[in-house]
Amino acid sequence: QLQLQESGPGLVKPSETLSLTCTVSGASISSTSFYWGWIRQPPGKGLEWIGSIYYSGSTYYNPSLKSRVTISVDTSKNQFSLRLKSVTAADTAVYYCAKAYGDYVGVFSDYWGQGTLVTVSS
Amino acid sequence: DIEMTQSPSSLSASLGDRVTITCRASQSIGSYLNWYQQKPGKAPKLLIYAASSLQSGVPSRFSGSGSGTDFTLTISSLQPEDFATYYCQQSYSTRYTFGQGTKLEIK
Repeated sequence: QLQLQESGPGLVKPSETLSLTCTVSGASISSTSFYWGWIRQPPGKGLEWIGSIYYSGSTYYNPSLKSRVTISVDTSKNQFSLRLKSVTAADTAVYYCAKAYGDYVGVFSDYWGQGTLVTVSS
Repeated sequence: DIEMTQSPSSLSASLGDRVTITCRASQSIGSYLNWYQQKPGKAPKLLIYAASSLQSGVPSRFSGSGSGTDFTLTISSLQPEDFATYYCQQSYSTRYTFGQGTKLEIK
């Protein structure tokens, strides 16, 4: 059974960098047709897609966050990571990692981590 | 950017009701439309992909339809576990935007 688990600090200071890691079990992060992505949800609000990385290493980012976001993969650890720099209170959210499947029918996230709350505050 | 607009934003219904939620895209997205269900404190769960394909393990009372710009999610007979928030998401462009959500509440 495929599982994803987010990890990282729950509190980040303004202007610093938010760093989260997603550990994947039950599947290889190098599998073809799989995308690995990050989605966030501010408290009481809707979902916002942050970005995805394909098994080949290609990355796709939300244009509104692109200048601050980096998603990378560590195949040796079967993990992928999110870095969001220069954070503000507006970046406070539950951050989810997710595995997506993509082919001619589109891309859809069929497995999700449980989510981790990151608060930006001094 | 492709904007996704759901209606209504909230909906009250009774057990056994047939419910329809609508999602409209700001431009044609073919059938690249997914639906998710989210319960409080939980991660979203994939219900429907490619506009009308039922994800494995999802009850058959859920169905999706539409193409182009207009899509619907229908629950044929509401069950207690269906009260949740529902989101549509497009995957036509690589900015996989979500709708704002529809909260389904018990009447």
